[in-house]
Amino acid sequence: DAGVTQSPTHLIKTRGQQVTLRCSPISGHKSVSWYQQVLGQGPQFIFQYYEKEERGRGNFPDRFSARQFPNYSSELNVNALLLGDSALYLCASSLANQGGEQYFGPGTRLTVT
Amino acid sequence: QKEVEQNSGPLSVPEGAIASLNCTYSDRGSQSFFWYRQYSGKSPELIMSIYSNGDKEDGRFTAQLNKASQYVSLLIRDSQPSDSATYLCAVMEYGNKLVFGAGTILRVKS
Repeated sequence: DAGVTQSPTHLIKTRGQQVTLRCSPISGHKSVSWYQQVLGQGPQFIFQYYEKEERGRGNFPDRFSARQFPNYSSELNVNALLLGDSALYLCASSLANQGGEQYFGPGTRLTVT
Repeated sequence: QKEVEQNSGPLSVPEGAIASLNCTYSDRGSQSFFWYRQYSGKSPELIMSIYSNGDKEDGRFTAQLNKASQYVSLLIRDSQPSDSATYLCAVMEYGNKLVFGAGTILRVKS
């Protein structure tokens, strides 16, 4: 079975630009969560989507937005990029809306210069 | 702000020994707990989940949960050099939000 997929693998952007990251969950999983991981820290929760609706939002500015599509894939958008947005962006897939195990994709490494 | 605390390490153990990784959490109402392994430059990989007090064993891994003490641990038996990685403890908050510790670096010396 295919696991969680994310694209692109790496991305380099300039301050002020906008970026879109993509994620496809494990087949049959309806929940997608996004996390940001900076070097030396654990992942930080950004969003959760379930059945195309936002079900949770972390402590991130409004420059961060996301959506989920009818096929349960998801996009994370970040506007007006700052140097501090440089991080590994992780997508996690799970079966249900609440509880249960989450499986991470390979991540997208974003570098903002 | 709910917190998850881990000793950053590095924890160094000889090959074949038992590695013991510990984690404490602040939210007494937490019900779901997870251990992830993360190799350098890679994404976290789920290795154990635990929901009830006591021990849960899976191969060389044993997770232990004590909700009264708000303490979760991971034991790795017969440690191998390939176990060298950062181990992340995660606690589920509302909905599907995972709160992670900063991770413990484990080094297994051959």
